[in-house]
Amino acid sequence: DTEVTQTPKHLVMGMTNKKSLKCEQHMGHRAMYWYKQKAKKPPELMFVYSYEKLSINESVPSRFSPECPNSSLLNLHLHALQPEDSALYLCASSPPLGTVAKNIQYFGAGTRLSVL
Amino acid sequence: QQPVQSPQAVILREGEDAVINCSSSKALYSVHWYRQKHGEAPVFLMILLKGGEQKGHEKISASFNEKKQQSSLYLTASQLSYSGTYFCGTPSDYGNKLVFGAGTILRVKS
Repeated sequence: DTEVTQTPKHLVMGMTNKKSLKCEQHMGHRAMYWYKQKAKKPPELMFVYSYEKLSINESVPSRFSPECPNSSLLNLHLHALQPEDSALYLCASSPPLGTVAKNIQYFGAGTRLSVL
Repeated sequence: QQPVQSPQAVILREGEDAVINCSSSKALYSVHWYRQKHGEAPVFLMILLKGGEQKGHEKISASFNEKKQQSSLYLTASQLSYSGTYFCGTPSDYGNKLVFGAGTILRVKS
Protein backbone atom coordinates (compact mmCIF):
# COMPACT_ATOMS: atom_id res chain seq x y z
CA ASP A 1 0.00 0.00 0.00
CA THR A 2 1.71 3.18 -1.20
CA GLU A 3 -1.18 5.53 -0.68
CA VAL A 4 -1.81 8.56 1.40
CA THR A 5 -5.55 9.02 1.72
CA GLN A 6 -7.12 12.40 2.41
CA THR A 7 -10.71 13.21 3.21
CA PRO A 8 -12.77 15.07 2.25
CA LYS A 9 -11.75 15.85 -1.32
CA HIS A 10 -13.65 19.13 -1.30
CA LEU A 11 -14.82 21.32 1.57
CA VAL A 12 -16.75 24.55 1.64
CA MET A 13 -17.01 26.30 4.97
CA GLY A 14 -18.09 29.59 6.40
CA MET A 15 -15.83 31.77 8.49
CA THR A 16 -17.53 30.73 11.72
CA ASN A 17 -17.47 26.99 11.03
CA LYS A 18 -15.28 24.33 12.60
CA LYS A 19 -14.17 21.49 10.36
CA SER A 20 -11.40 18.90 10.19
CA LEU A 21 -9.27 17.44 7.44
CA LYS A 22 -8.12 13.87 7.76
CA CYS A 23 -5.07 12.08 6.40
CA GLU A 24 -4.14 8.40 6.68
CA GLN A 25 -1.18 6.31 5.54
CA HIS A 26 -0.26 2.67 6.13
CA MET A 27 3.28 2.66 4.77
CA GLY A 28 4.93 2.68 8.17
CA HIS A 29 6.12 6.24 7.62
CA ARG A 30 6.93 8.12 10.80
CA ALA A 31 6.94 11.66 9.41
CA MET A 32 3.74 13.34 8.29
CA TYR A 33 3.19 16.79 6.87
CA TRP A 34 0.57 19.38 6.13
CA TYR A 35 1.08 21.69 3.17
CA LYS A 36 -0.98 24.53 1.78
CA GLN A 37 -0.88 25.14 -1.96
CA LYS A 38 -2.24 28.14 -3.80
CA ALA A 39 -2.77 28.09 -7.55
CA LYS A 40 0.45 28.19 -9.59
CA LYS A 41 2.61 28.08 -6.46
CA PRO A 42 4.67 25.30 -4.88
CA PRO A 43 3.39 23.50 -1.79
CA GLU A 44 4.04 25.60 1.30
CA LEU A 45 4.92 23.66 4.44
CA MET A 46 2.67 24.20 7.45
CA PHE A 47 3.45 21.46 9.97
CA VAL A 48 5.66 18.41 10.36
CA TYR A 49 5.06 15.55 12.77
CA SER A 50 7.92 13.19 13.44
CA TYR A 51 7.18 10.05 15.47
CA GLU A 52 3.81 11.55 16.43
CA LYS A 53 5.38 14.69 17.87
CA LEU A 54 5.07 18.13 16.32
CA SER A 55 8.56 18.97 15.12
CA ILE A 56 7.98 21.93 12.81
CA ASN A 57 5.33 24.66 12.88
CA GLU A 58 6.00 27.20 10.17
CA SER A 59 4.42 30.05 12.14
CA VAL A 60 0.97 28.97 11.06
CA PRO A 61 -1.98 30.97 12.53
CA SER A 62 -3.70 29.29 15.45
CA ARG A 63 -6.92 28.90 13.47
CA PHE A 64 -5.15 25.85 12.03
CA SER A 65 -4.60 23.15 14.65
CA PRO A 66 -2.83 19.90 13.76
CA GLU A 67 -3.21 16.63 15.58
CA CYS A 68 -1.45 13.28 15.20
CA PRO A 69 -3.46 10.65 17.13
CA ASN A 70 -1.18 7.79 16.03
CA SER A 71 1.54 6.98 13.53
CA SER A 72 -0.96 6.44 10.69
CA LEU A 73 -3.29 9.37 11.17
CA LEU A 74 -2.96 13.12 10.84
CA ASN A 75 -5.73 15.65 11.29
CA LEU A 76 -5.95 19.36 10.64
CA HIS A 77 -8.62 21.16 12.63
CA LEU A 78 -9.94 24.36 11.12
CA HIS A 79 -11.72 27.13 12.99
CA ALA A 80 -12.63 30.71 12.10
CA LEU A 81 -10.84 30.62 8.78
CA GLN A 82 -10.54 33.57 6.43
CA PRO A 83 -11.33 33.64 2.70
CA GLU A 84 -7.60 33.88 1.97
CA ASP A 85 -7.20 30.43 3.54
CA SER A 86 -8.94 28.95 0.52
CA ALA A 87 -6.42 26.61 -1.09
CA LEU A 88 -5.50 23.00 -1.75
CA TYR A 89 -4.37 21.34 1.48
CA LEU A 90 -2.00 18.48 0.95
CA CYS A 91 -0.94 15.82 3.38
CA ALA A 92 2.30 13.91 2.85
CA SER A 93 4.34 11.28 4.60
CA SER A 94 7.94 10.18 4.34
CA PRO A 95 10.08 7.26 5.45
CA PRO A 96 11.88 7.44 8.79
CA LEU A 97 15.06 9.43 9.34
CA GLY A 98 18.14 7.30 8.89
CA THR A 99 16.86 5.73 5.68
CA VAL A 100 18.17 6.62 2.25
CA ALA A 101 14.66 7.64 1.23
CA LYS A 102 14.12 10.06 4.10
CA ASN A 103 12.39 13.28 3.13
CA ILE A 104 10.80 11.76 0.00
CA GLN A 105 7.29 13.16 0.12
CA TYR A 106 4.39 10.85 -0.71
CA PHE A 107 1.43 13.14 -1.19
CA GLY A 108 -2.26 12.54 -0.78
CA ALA A 109 -4.69 13.84 -3.41
CA GLY A 110 -5.48 16.87 -1.27
CA THR A 111 -8.54 18.65 0.05
CA ARG A 112 -9.70 21.63 -1.94
CA LEU A 113 -10.96 24.10 0.64
CA SER A 114 -13.14 27.11 -0.04
CA VAL A 115 -13.85 29.58 2.75
CA LEU A 116 -16.84 31.81 2.18
CA GLN B 1 16.36 28.92 1.24
CA GLN B 2 14.24 28.24 -1.84
CA PRO B 3 16.06 26.66 -4.80
CA VAL B 4 15.77 28.54 -8.09
CA GLN B 5 14.23 26.81 -11.07
CA SER B 6 14.50 27.74 -14.73
CA PRO B 7 12.80 28.15 -17.07
CA GLN B 8 9.48 29.21 -15.52
CA ALA B 9 7.57 27.61 -18.37
CA VAL B 10 8.24 25.68 -21.53
CA ILE B 11 6.03 24.53 -24.39
CA LEU B 12 7.07 21.54 -26.47
CA ARG B 13 5.73 19.47 -29.30
CA GLU B 14 5.53 15.72 -28.79
CA GLY B 15 8.91 14.13 -29.35
CA GLU B 16 10.94 17.22 -28.45
CA ASP B 17 13.40 17.38 -25.58
CA ALA B 18 13.55 19.77 -22.64
CA VAL B 19 15.84 20.58 -19.75
CA ILE B 20 14.74 22.02 -16.41
CA ASN B 21 17.35 23.41 -14.06
CA CYS B 22 17.40 23.76 -10.29
CA SER B 23 20.11 25.65 -8.46
CA SER B 24 20.81 26.58 -4.89
CA SER B 25 22.90 29.23 -3.20
CA LYS B 26 23.83 26.81 -0.43
CA ALA B 27 25.54 23.43 -0.43
CA LEU B 28 23.33 20.64 -1.70
CA TYR B 29 23.51 17.06 -0.50
CA SER B 30 20.46 15.80 -2.31
CA VAL B 31 17.85 16.98 -4.78
CA HIS B 32 14.32 15.71 -5.28
CA TRP B 33 12.16 16.04 -8.38
CA TYR B 34 8.35 15.96 -8.40
CA ARG B 35 5.72 16.37 -11.07
CA GLN B 36 2.25 17.76 -10.44
CA LYS B 37 -0.39 17.35 -13.11
CA HIS B 38 -3.24 19.81 -13.24
CA GLY B 39 -5.72 19.19 -10.45
CA GLU B 40 -3.64 16.41 -8.91
CA ALA B 41 -1.14 16.02 -6.09
CA PRO B 42 2.62 16.19 -6.66
CA VAL B 43 4.19 12.83 -7.44
CA PHE B 44 7.76 11.91 -6.56
CA LEU B 45 9.92 11.23 -9.62
CA MET B 46 13.42 10.71 -8.31
CA ILE B 47 15.99 11.64 -5.74
CA LEU B 48 19.65 12.31 -6.39
CA LEU B 49 21.81 11.70 -3.37
CA LYS B 50 25.37 12.53 -4.26
CA GLY B 51 27.30 14.64 -6.68
CA GLY B 52 27.37 13.41 -10.25
CA GLU B 53 24.61 10.92 -9.69
CA GLN B 54 22.12 10.41 -12.47
CA LYS B 55 18.79 8.74 -12.20
CA GLY B 56 16.10 7.86 -14.69
CA HIS B 57 12.34 7.47 -14.74
CA GLU B 58 10.80 6.47 -18.08
CA LYS B 59 12.48 8.84 -20.54
CA ILE B 60 13.08 11.37 -17.81
CA SER B 61 16.53 11.52 -16.30
CA ALA B 62 18.35 13.88 -13.98
CA SER B 63 21.85 14.82 -13.02
CA PHE B 64 23.26 16.40 -9.89
CA ASN B 65 26.35 18.56 -9.84
CA GLU B 66 27.18 19.00 -6.19
CA LYS B 67 30.06 21.36 -6.94
CA LYS B 68 27.88 23.71 -8.96
CA GLN B 69 25.04 23.27 -6.47
CA GLN B 70 22.60 22.45 -9.21
CA SER B 71 20.54 19.69 -10.72
CA SER B 72 19.02 19.31 -14.16
CA LEU B 73 16.01 17.29 -15.25
CA TYR B 74 16.10 15.99 -18.82
CA LEU B 75 12.88 15.07 -20.62
CA THR B 76 13.63 13.13 -23.77
CA ALA B 77 11.20 12.55 -26.63
CA SER B 78 8.43 14.19 -24.61
CA GLN B 79 4.95 12.72 -24.51
CA LEU B 80 1.62 14.40 -23.84
CA SER B 81 1.61 12.72 -20.43
CA TYR B 82 4.69 14.71 -19.41
CA SER B 83 2.65 17.89 -19.17
CA GLY B 84 2.50 19.34 -15.68
CA THR B 85 4.46 21.44 -13.25
CA TYR B 86 7.87 20.14 -12.22
CA PHE B 87 9.25 21.02 -8.81
CA CYS B 88 12.70 20.43 -7.45
CA GLY B 89 13.08 20.15 -3.70
CA THR B 90 16.08 20.39 -1.42
CA PRO B 91 16.27 19.36 2.25
CA SER B 92 16.54 22.23 4.68
CA ASP B 93 18.77 22.22 7.71
CA TYR B 94 15.83 20.96 9.78
CA GLY B 95 15.21 17.21 9.98
CA ASN B 96 12.35 16.37 7.65
CA LYS B 97 11.75 19.66 5.88
CA LEU B 98 11.92 19.84 2.09
CA VAL B 99 12.03 23.25 0.38
CA PHE B 100 10.45 23.38 -3.08
CA GLY B 101 11.44 25.55 -5.98
CA ALA B 102 8.79 27.76 -7.59
CA GLY B 103 8.13 25.17 -10.29
CA THR B 104 8.45 24.88 -14.07
CA ILE B 105 5.27 24.54 -16.10
CA LEU B 106 5.75 22.09 -18.95
CA ARG B 107 3.17 21.80 -21.70
CA VAL B 108 3.50 19.20 -24.42
CA LYS B 109 1.38 19.74 -27.51
CA SER B 110 0.48 17.19 -30.17
